[in-house]
Amino acid sequence: NAGVTQTPKFQVLKTGQSMTLQCAQDMNHNSMYWYRQDPGMGLRLIYYSASEGTTDKGEVPNGYNVSRLNKREFSLRLESAAPSQTSVYFCASSVWVGSNNEQFFGPGTRLTVL
Amino acid sequence: SQQGEEDPQALSIQEGENATMNCSYKTSINNLQWYRQNSGRGLVHLILIRSNEREKHSGRLRVTLDTSKKSSSLLITASRAADTASYFCATAPLMDSSYKLIFGSGTRLLVRP
Repeated sequence: NAGVTQTPKFQVLKTGQSMTLQCAQDMNHNSMYWYRQDPGMGLRLIYYSASEGTTDKGEVPNGYNVSRLNKREFSLRLESAAPSQTSVYFCASSVWVGSNNEQFFGPGTRLTVL
Repeated sequence: SQQGEEDPQALSIQEGENATMNCSYKTSINNLQWYRQNSGRGLVHLILIRSNEREKHSGRLRVTLDTSKKSSSLLITASRAADTASYFCATAPLMDSSYKLIFGSGTRLLVRP
């Protein structure tokens, strides 16, 4: 099993450009998450999808949109990139059964917005 | 805003020594989890402790939880150079039925050979 995969690994954008970060998991997990991690900081939740067909805002949703394409895939879109969105983006998934919500993380996408 | 805050922010120890990291949080929780992040990699789950548990062990890891003080500690015994990483606590707030996690800012651990 590949676990959680993310593409691309690295991306450089110019201000105003758009892009979509892809995430897929092969563990049959119900819930998926997008985080950003800025230098020296913990993870901040951008959006999450508790189950297929639902998405909700996290702590820092402005400037982002998401799509839960199916149970496996959850994409994050930047419509008009800004330098403040320079960060490392992590996708995660979890089984949502009671309070057993251990999360499994992808390797991350390093995004630089010039 | 960050729910969990780790202390210290950075820790440097000699191989073989024990490492202790602390986490404080603000609201009541379902559970608290610890994760490790090696440089440039994604987070890896280490251990989960539920709100009705006080202590849990996993190999060289020992986690304690004091819900009255809203704090937790992670002890790594007999540390190795390979333990060098950042360690994050994450809490699942009690009033949040979605069970999403809120991460702290992390402790950077350096284990010197």
